[in-house]
Amino acid sequence: GENVEQHPSTLSVQEGDSAVIKCTYSDSASNYFPWYKQELGKRPQLIIDIRSNVGEKKDQRIAVTLNKTAKHFSLHITETQPEDSAVYFCAASKGSNYQLIWGAGTKLIIKP
Amino acid sequence: DSGVTQTPKHLITATGQRVTLRCSPRSGDLSVYWYQQSLDQGLQFLIQYYNGEERAKGNILERFSAQQFPDLHSELNLSSLELGDSALYFCASSAGQSLVDTQYFGPGTRLTVL
Repeated sequence: GENVEQHPSTLSVQEGDSAVIKCTYSDSASNYFPWYKQELGKRPQLIIDIRSNVGEKKDQRIAVTLNKTAKHFSLHITETQPEDSAVYFCAASKGSNYQLIWGAGTKLIIKP
Repeated sequence: DSGVTQTPKHLITATGQRVTLRCSPRSGDLSVYWYQQSLDQGLQFLIQYYNGEERAKGNILERFSAQQFPDLHSELNLSSLELGDSALYFCASSAGQSLVDTQYFGPGTRLTVL
């Protein structure tokens, strides 16, 4: 079955720098890739998602890129701010009839 | 606030006991999902219900069961509790039956098994 690996498990960056979190998936049929953010003590929330018919999607300071050939997708956060500190989860699915397979999460720490 | 509510917020119980966690989805959402998140762990998908019917099953133990009622609220029943069941249990809801609809998470129920 599908497997999603997420790296790194912890990422520490200086405020204002960029952060990149990468996920690899095993099933080439996967076509939907969301990213959820979970702040400390709070619920996960969808921040951005991408479908396999596009290679990149941006929303202000966050972007997601997808490389279908290599079977990996990445979350990019530019000009990081303290409020970006959280655990970020990636996931992958083959479509509407297939459950999301979640990555293990990346703890992002923004250093002042 | 996502509009998804969960009760109770905290639950402390002993090994061998049985508990029920409750979730009310966002108004209009027909799907409810249950997740388990152990300390510093990722999200483990347990089960999804759509409009009262089981739609998808993940890594749910046989000791655990769930149901969705006609008013669309859902309950997760955990029985013969073990220490390892201590975790944060999230409920999420989405509009339709598609497993790739955006999921809106509730605040979670923290279960502690002593």
